[in-house]
Amino acid sequence: GIQVEQSPPDLILQEGANSTLRCNFSDSVNNLQWFHQNPWGQLINLFYIPSGTKQNGRLSATTVATERYSLLYISSSQTTDSGVYFCAVGYAQGGKLIFGQGTELSVKP
Amino acid sequence: NAGVTQTPKFQVLKTGQSMTLQCAQDMNHNSMYWYRQDPGMGLRLIYYSASEGTTDKGEVPNGYNVSRLNKREFSLRLESAAPSQTSVYFCASNPGAGANVLTFGAGSRLTVL
Repeated sequence: GIQVEQSPPDLILQEGANSTLRCNFSDSVNNLQWFHQNPWGQLINLFYIPSGTKQNGRLSATTVATERYSLLYISSSQTTDSGVYFCAVGYAQGGKLIFGQGTELSVKP
Repeated sequence: NAGVTQTPKFQVLKTGQSMTLQCAQDMNHNSMYWYRQDPGMGLRLIYYSASEGTTDKGEVPNGYNVSRLNKREFSLRLESAAPSQTSVYFCASNPGAGANVLTFGAGSRLTVL
């Protein structure tokens, strides 16, 4: 099956710093999403981005489908950005998604 | 707007007991999913239902059964719980083909002793 690898596995930042999270996948996909899991366990969809670039405030994401990777950029990080960021990819009808193991981000004040 | 609602939020079982996790969504979504999350392993798909009346296995279906009761509800049943099924379980839904943004419930923490 398709493999999803995220890097780095964990990251510690000072408030105000920028960061880039990477997601590599092993096969062609027609669905790619980024999620944030906050320290209380809630999973929130950040981006639906099977290709191209999107921005939402301080967050942006780029997927280069032909090269099988996606990047999530966090600028001017805040303590509320802490948590785990997951990349998930899909390649079949029905929206079934396979998740990477996540990047755990800790933003220090 | 409640979104995706899971019950119970917490449950402790003894080995061999059975239980059902309930999930309901009020967004008129066609597709529903059950994932489990274990430390260091991300989320793994147990079962999914692409539309009312259909269910399919995911990555880790062994030891589980599901029922798509109607368009709103998708339940996950453990017939004979094992300690390896200790996990956090998430239900999710999306509109279906062509609009696949996934919305998650708050999760159900299950401990099997």
